[in-house]
Amino acid sequence: KAGVTQTPRYLIKTRGQQVTLSCSPISGHRSVSWYQQTPGQGLQFLFEYFSETQRNKGNFPGRFSGRQFSNSRSEMNVSTLELGDSALYLCASSLDGSAKNIQYFGAGTRLSVL
Amino acid sequence: QKEVEQNSGPLSVPEGAIASLNCTYSDRGSQSFFWYRQYSGKSPELIMSIYSNGDKEDGRFTAQLNKASQYVSLLIRDSQPSDSATYLCAVSNTGGFKTIFGAGTRLFVKA
Repeated sequence: KAGVTQTPRYLIKTRGQQVTLSCSPISGHRSVSWYQQTPGQGLQFLFEYFSETQRNKGNFPGRFSGRQFSNSRSEMNVSTLELGDSALYLCASSLDGSAKNIQYFGAGTRLSVL
Repeated sequence: QKEVEQNSGPLSVPEGAIASLNCTYSDRGSQSFFWYRQYSGKSPELIMSIYSNGDKEDGRFTAQLNKASQYVSLLIRDSQPSDSATYLCAVSNTGGFKTIFGAGTRLFVKA
């Protein structure tokens, strides 16, 4: 059974650009969560999607957005990139996102903003 | 106050010793508690989950939960150098569709 797949693995962008990250969950998993990980802040929750609906959102500016498709694949978009957006972006999938669900993480996309 | 707090470490233990990792959380409505291990440059992987008060053992790992004290811990017995990693405590509550992670504790096991 394939794991969570994130593409691309690495990205280099300049300030002001926008970027789109992709996440394919484990087959049968319908919940996808996104996290930003930085050395200083640890893993910060961005948002969670289930059945194409965003059910919860973390404390990030509106420049961070996402969506989920009918096949449960999810994308995350960051517009008007800032230097502080440089981070590892992790996607995690679970069966239905309920509290007892175990989340399985992808390898992450490392974004560098120059 | 952070929602999930962990001692950032590093925690250094000799090989064969017991490593004790601690975590406190602020939301009394929290229902589910997880410990993830993250090796440098890798993504987090689940070690243990615990949902009710008491101890839960899995091999060399024991998770302990005390909801009254809002405290969860992870014990690693017979620590091995391969256990050297960052350990993340994570907490979620029913209906929140959101998991909050602590900043992690770095563990070094010296051979």
